[in-house]
Amino acid sequence: GESVGLHLPTLSVQEGDNSIINCAYSNSASDYFIWYKQESGKGPQFIIDIRSNMDKRQGQRVTVLLNKTVKHLSLQIAATQPGDSAVYFCAEKRHGQNFVFGPGTRLSVLP
Amino acid sequence: DAGVIQSPRHEVTEMGQEVTLRCKPISGHNSLFWYRQTMMRGLELLIYFNNNVPIDDSGMPEDRFSAKMPNASFSTLKIQPSEPRDSAVYFCASSLGGADGELFFGEGSRLTVL
Repeated sequence: GESVGLHLPTLSVQEGDNSIINCAYSNSASDYFIWYKQESGKGPQFIIDIRSNMDKRQGQRVTVLLNKTVKHLSLQIAATQPGDSAVYFCAEKRHGQNFVFGPGTRLSVLP
Repeated sequence: DAGVIQSPRHEVTEMGQEVTLRCKPISGHNSLFWYRQTMMRGLELLIYFNNNVPIDDSGMPEDRFSAKMPNASFSTLKIQPSEPRDSAVYFCASSLGGADGELFFGEGSRLTVL
């Protein structure tokens, strides 16, 4: 696969179970957040986003939760499938500034 | 619709050689970003263009790195001379909306400098 952190946190889940991937962000002024999925050999791909005026947003099988009090973001994947195996990055930004990416979490789906 | 297109996908070169990476952003996007991804540092922003003008190049490692965007549909990232520590995956991304838009990434160019 492509270069990702040697010491990436890894989450292993059974196929069909729900996954929760967590991210602590650094800037309390950040107002826009995105979760990206990166499969081996590919570029990061947008999954879902959320703005700071919301605390929850749902997509297809995915939900993002934002807790601004503790600067925490989570990605929930329902009924995890083998195709969900990838590295997941959270990205934060403040208006007018560039995205800052987290180190990533590797999700491994067990059969 | 075609996404962000990068070339080459893989490049192996010897230390001291010039490397040129190419990127075609999504048509209509007005912002283009070059990122570098390594095992040690993750995704790092190197440079960002808005309407073909470099806005922030503070992430460019040193003078050996240069980037150009001669028109809205093409950008290059050049390393001259290359060094082994430049080995990484280089991603180009584009967005509509300047620094506030969602980033669309290419598949990356994997560079190995021997």
